[in-house]
Amino acid sequence: ELKVEQNPLFLSMQEGKNYTIYCNYSTTSDRLYWYRQDPGKSLESLFVLLSNGAVKQEGRLMASLDTKARLSTLHITAAVHDLSATYFCAVDTWNTGNQFYFGTGTSLTVIP
Amino acid sequence: SQTIHQWPATLVQPVGSPLSLECTVEGTSNPNLYWYRQAAGRGLQLLFYSVGIGQISSEVPQNLSASRPQDRQFILSSKKLLLSDSGFYLCAWSLGQAETQYFGPGTRLLVL
Repeated sequence: ELKVEQNPLFLSMQEGKNYTIYCNYSTTSDRLYWYRQDPGKSLESLFVLLSNGAVKQEGRLMASLDTKARLSTLHITAAVHDLSATYFCAVDTWNTGNQFYFGTGTSLTVIP
Repeated sequence: SQTIHQWPATLVQPVGSPLSLECTVEGTSNPNLYWYRQAAGRGLQLLFYSVGIGQISSEVPQNLSASRPQDRQFILSSKKLLLSDSGFYLCAWSLGQAETQYFGPGTRLLVL
Protein backbone atom coordinates (compact mmCIF):
# COMPACT_ATOMS: atom_id res chain seq x y z
CA GLU A 1 0.00 0.00 0.00
CA LEU A 2 1.29 3.43 -0.91
CA LYS A 3 2.04 5.56 2.14
CA VAL A 4 2.37 9.33 2.22
CA GLU A 5 3.86 10.91 5.31
CA GLN A 6 4.12 14.56 6.16
CA ASN A 7 6.15 16.22 8.84
CA PRO A 8 5.74 18.01 10.97
CA LEU A 9 2.08 17.33 11.75
CA PHE A 10 1.78 20.57 13.65
CA LEU A 11 3.82 23.70 13.09
CA SER A 12 3.67 26.95 14.97
CA MET A 13 5.87 29.66 13.58
CA GLN A 14 6.36 33.36 14.04
CA GLU A 15 5.56 35.85 11.37
CA GLY A 16 8.54 36.65 9.20
CA LYS A 17 10.24 33.28 9.71
CA ASN A 18 10.99 30.60 7.15
CA TYR A 19 10.14 26.93 7.40
CA THR A 20 9.79 23.77 5.32
CA ILE A 21 7.11 21.08 5.33
CA TYR A 22 8.20 17.65 4.09
CA CYS A 23 6.19 15.03 2.22
CA ASN A 24 7.63 11.53 1.79
CA TYR A 25 5.95 8.78 -0.18
CA SER A 26 6.65 5.10 -0.43
CA THR A 27 6.42 4.21 -4.11
CA THR A 28 7.45 5.53 -7.48
CA SER A 29 5.43 8.49 -8.64
CA ASP A 30 6.11 11.39 -10.95
CA ARG A 31 3.20 13.51 -9.81
CA LEU A 32 2.64 15.27 -6.55
CA TYR A 33 -0.02 17.76 -5.53
CA TRP A 34 -0.22 20.27 -2.71
CA TYR A 35 -3.50 21.48 -1.24
CA ARG A 36 -4.51 23.99 1.40
CA GLN A 37 -7.47 23.61 3.75
CA ASP A 38 -8.75 26.44 5.93
CA PRO A 39 -10.63 25.43 9.10
CA GLY A 40 -14.09 24.12 8.28
CA LYS A 41 -13.52 24.60 4.56
CA SER A 42 -12.80 22.46 1.54
CA LEU A 43 -9.44 21.85 -0.12
CA GLU A 44 -7.88 24.34 -2.49
CA SER A 45 -5.31 23.25 -5.05
CA LEU A 46 -1.96 25.02 -4.62
CA PHE A 47 0.63 23.26 -6.79
CA VAL A 48 0.97 20.39 -9.21
CA LEU A 49 4.47 18.96 -9.63
CA LEU A 50 4.73 16.70 -12.64
CA SER A 51 8.37 15.75 -13.00
CA ASN A 52 11.60 15.23 -11.11
CA GLY A 53 13.16 18.55 -10.18
CA ALA A 54 9.93 20.49 -10.70
CA VAL A 55 9.69 23.69 -8.73
CA LYS A 56 6.63 25.90 -8.44
CA GLN A 57 6.31 29.17 -6.58
CA GLU A 58 3.41 31.39 -5.69
CA GLY A 59 3.81 34.24 -3.28
CA ARG A 60 5.52 33.06 -0.11
CA LEU A 61 5.13 29.36 -0.93
CA MET A 62 7.49 27.27 -3.02
CA ALA A 63 7.08 23.57 -3.73
CA SER A 64 9.64 21.18 -5.15
CA LEU A 65 9.75 17.52 -6.11
CA ASP A 66 12.58 14.97 -5.98
CA THR A 67 11.20 11.74 -7.39
CA LYS A 68 14.42 9.83 -6.77
CA ALA A 69 14.24 10.58 -3.06
CA ARG A 70 10.43 10.30 -3.13
CA LEU A 71 10.27 13.64 -1.41
CA SER A 72 8.46 16.90 -1.91
CA THR A 73 8.95 20.05 0.11
CA LEU A 74 6.75 23.07 0.68
CA HIS A 75 8.87 26.01 1.72
CA ILE A 76 7.37 29.01 3.46
CA THR A 77 9.22 32.28 3.23
CA ALA A 78 8.62 35.16 5.65
CA ALA A 79 5.40 33.68 6.98
CA VAL A 80 2.32 35.83 7.47
CA HIS A 81 -0.84 35.10 9.46
CA ASP A 82 -2.88 34.48 6.27
CA LEU A 83 -0.86 31.34 5.64
CA SER A 84 -2.32 29.65 8.73
CA ALA A 85 -4.11 26.53 7.43
CA THR A 86 -3.63 22.79 7.05
CA TYR A 87 -1.50 21.74 4.10
CA PHE A 88 -1.85 18.35 2.43
CA CYS A 89 0.31 16.67 -0.14
CA ALA A 90 -1.10 13.95 -2.39
CA VAL A 91 0.44 11.42 -4.74
CA ASP A 92 -1.00 9.30 -7.49
CA THR A 93 0.62 6.49 -9.42
CA TRP A 94 0.00 4.86 -12.76
CA ASN A 95 -0.62 1.48 -11.22
CA THR A 96 -3.24 2.56 -8.70
CA GLY A 97 -5.86 3.76 -11.13
CA ASN A 98 -7.34 7.11 -10.34
CA GLN A 99 -6.49 7.20 -6.69
CA PHE A 100 -4.89 10.08 -4.89
CA TYR A 101 -3.12 9.13 -1.69
CA PHE A 102 -3.17 12.03 0.72
CA GLY A 103 -0.66 12.76 3.42
CA THR A 104 -1.73 13.24 7.01
CA GLY A 105 -1.64 17.01 6.72
CA THR A 106 0.44 19.69 8.41
CA SER A 107 -1.45 22.16 10.56
CA LEU A 108 0.33 25.50 10.31
CA THR A 109 -0.26 28.35 12.73
CA VAL A 110 1.53 31.64 12.13
CA ILE A 111 1.68 33.79 15.24
CA PRO A 112 2.47 37.51 15.40
CA SER B 1 -15.36 27.64 -16.03
CA GLN B 2 -16.06 24.54 -14.00
CA THR B 3 -17.89 24.53 -10.71
CA ILE B 4 -18.74 21.77 -8.29
CA HIS B 5 -21.70 21.81 -5.93
CA GLN B 6 -22.55 19.70 -2.92
CA TRP B 7 -25.68 19.58 -0.82
CA PRO B 8 -26.71 19.73 1.79
CA ALA B 9 -23.96 21.76 3.42
CA THR B 10 -24.76 20.41 6.88
CA LEU B 11 -26.77 17.44 8.01
CA VAL B 12 -27.69 16.01 11.41
CA GLN B 13 -29.14 12.51 11.27
CA PRO B 14 -30.06 9.86 13.85
CA VAL B 15 -28.31 6.51 13.90
CA GLY B 16 -30.06 4.03 11.63
CA SER B 17 -31.53 6.63 9.30
CA PRO B 18 -30.81 6.71 5.54
CA LEU B 19 -28.47 9.13 3.83
CA SER B 20 -28.26 10.76 0.44
CA LEU B 21 -25.60 13.32 -0.42
CA GLU B 22 -25.44 14.85 -3.85
CA CYS B 23 -22.60 16.26 -5.90
CA THR B 24 -22.89 17.90 -9.30
CA VAL B 25 -20.29 19.36 -11.61
CA GLU B 26 -20.87 22.07 -14.20
CA GLY B 27 -18.79 23.21 -17.12
CA THR B 28 -17.12 19.95 -18.10
CA SER B 29 -18.00 16.60 -19.64
CA ASN B 30 -17.15 13.06 -18.57
CA PRO B 31 -15.22 14.05 -15.46
CA ASN B 32 -13.75 11.55 -13.03
CA LEU B 33 -15.66 11.92 -9.76
CA TYR B 34 -14.61 11.08 -6.22
CA TRP B 35 -16.08 10.87 -2.73
CA TYR B 36 -13.80 11.40 0.25
CA ARG B 37 -14.46 11.44 3.98
CA GLN B 38 -12.48 13.47 6.45
CA ALA B 39 -12.92 12.67 10.14
CA ALA B 40 -12.39 15.54 12.59
CA GLY B 41 -8.74 16.56 12.66
CA ARG B 42 -7.74 13.81 10.26
CA GLY B 43 -6.66 13.33 6.67
CA LEU B 44 -8.76 12.35 3.69
CA GLN B 45 -9.99 8.84 3.02
CA LEU B 46 -11.06 7.97 -0.52
CA LEU B 47 -14.42 6.21 -0.44
CA PHE B 48 -15.48 5.87 -4.09
CA TYR B 49 -14.45 7.03 -7.51
CA SER B 50 -16.12 6.91 -10.90
CA VAL B 51 -14.75 7.24 -14.42
CA GLY B 52 -18.15 7.23 -16.12
CA ILE B 53 -21.89 6.80 -15.78
CA GLY B 54 -22.71 3.68 -13.82
CA GLN B 55 -19.02 2.91 -13.14
CA ILE B 56 -18.18 2.95 -9.44
CA SER B 57 -15.07 1.72 -7.69
CA SER B 58 -15.11 1.27 -3.94
CA GLU B 59 -11.97 1.71 -1.91
CA VAL B 60 -13.10 0.70 1.55
CA PRO B 61 -15.76 -1.79 2.72
CA GLN B 62 -18.48 0.02 4.63
CA ASN B 63 -22.17 0.66 4.82
CA LEU B 64 -21.98 3.43 2.24
CA SER B 65 -22.65 3.17 -1.49
CA ALA B 66 -22.28 5.50 -4.44
CA SER B 67 -24.05 5.94 -7.72
CA ARG B 68 -23.54 8.00 -10.84
CA PRO B 69 -26.89 8.25 -12.60
CA GLN B 70 -25.79 11.08 -14.90
CA ASP B 71 -22.47 12.20 -16.33
CA ARG B 72 -22.00 15.04 -13.88
CA GLN B 73 -23.90 13.75 -10.87
CA PHE B 74 -22.45 11.64 -8.08
CA ILE B 75 -24.51 10.46 -5.13
CA LEU B 76 -23.38 8.99 -1.81
CA SER B 77 -25.93 6.90 0.06
CA SER B 78 -26.48 4.76 3.08
CA LYS B 79 -29.44 2.67 4.16
CA LYS B 80 -28.60 2.88 7.86
CA LEU B 81 -26.17 5.41 9.29
CA LEU B 82 -23.69 4.53 12.03
CA LEU B 83 -22.16 6.89 14.57
CA SER B 84 -18.82 6.34 12.85
CA ASP B 85 -20.21 7.80 9.62
CA SER B 86 -19.95 11.30 11.07
CA GLY B 87 -17.46 13.46 9.25
CA PHE B 88 -16.84 15.93 6.48
CA TYR B 89 -17.72 14.50 3.07
CA LEU B 90 -15.96 15.97 0.10
CA CYS B 91 -16.73 15.41 -3.54
CA ALA B 92 -14.03 16.09 -6.13
CA TRP B 93 -13.66 15.99 -9.90
CA SER B 94 -10.80 15.73 -12.34
CA LEU B 95 -10.41 15.62 -16.10
CA GLY B 96 -8.80 12.21 -15.86
CA GLN B 97 -6.05 10.22 -14.29
CA ALA B 98 -2.96 12.19 -13.35
CA GLU B 99 -4.94 15.40 -13.28
CA THR B 100 -5.52 17.78 -10.40
CA GLN B 101 -8.61 17.01 -8.37
CA TYR B 102 -10.87 19.96 -7.57
CA PHE B 103 -12.95 19.77 -4.45
CA GLY B 104 -16.49 20.82 -3.68
CA PRO B 105 -17.47 22.79 -0.58
CA GLY B 106 -18.24 19.64 1.39
CA THR B 107 -21.08 18.30 3.53
CA ARG B 108 -20.67 18.14 7.26
CA LEU B 109 -22.54 15.10 8.61
CA LEU B 110 -23.24 14.50 12.28
CA VAL B 111 -24.81 11.20 13.25
CA LEU B 112 -26.35 11.18 16.73
